Amino acid sequence: AQSVTQLGSHVSVSEGALVLLRCNYSSSVPPYLFWYVQYPNQGLQLLLKYTTGATLVKGINGFEAEFKKSETSFHLTKPSAHMSDAAEYFCAVRPLNTGTASKLTFGTGTRLQVTL
Amino acid sequence: NAGVTQTPKFQVLKTGQSMTLQCAQDMNHNSMYWYRQDPGMGLRLIYYSASEGTTDKGEVPNGYNVSRLNKREFSLRLESAAPSQTSVYFCASSRGGLAGAGVYNEQFFGPGTRLTVL
Repeated sequence: AQSVTQLGSHVSVSEGALVLLRCNYSSSVPPYLFWYVQYPNQGLQLLLKYTTGATLVKGINGFEAEFKKSETSFHLTKPSAHMSDAAEYFCAVRPLNTGTASKLTFGTGTRLQVTL
Repeated sequence: NAGVTQTPKFQVLKTGQSMTLQCAQDMNHNSMYWYRQDPGMGLRLIYYSASEGTTDKGEVPNGYNVSRLNKREFSLRLESAAPSQTSVYFCASSRGGLAGAGVYNEQFFGPGTRLTVL
């Protein structure tokens, strides 16, 4: 079964600093990969996704992620953190052959704190 | 468009009580999902419905039942609530549809229902 590991349940950065949230997946065949963000007391919102093609994926709010097959990783980055980026971030994978339903397996999440 | 809506937003139950969580989407999506979110465990799939008229178990289906009432609505029922079912429940939907056509499916999430079972 597919699994996703997010290293670090909490990450704290200063405003303006680089944001790096780590995600590794376990699969012999590269799956589809997603990053979702959850702001306090809200549902999840898609940040970006990798399906095929370019391995560097740009998302909303200045985030991007790079798919590295050799490292089975899909780390999320943002060059300069903003206070509004404080949220919980989830990495998710979708196997290539789940039929008509887009079943996702989520990581345990990383809470990002941004300090002044 | 409202997207995915869930009712209620909050609920407190006593052990053994039953309740139904409602979910509706107005995006004409084929597939719908129920997740629970617990601290340190991310989101876990309870049940899903690939298309109207079908439902399947996810990772943690025990203690729950679902009904895909029509294309828009997908409800989750707790027949006899237990404290272990205290959680935040999210409904989601995706375009889905024909095999292969939905490979880029993005899931759209509702705002969640916070359930406490005493």
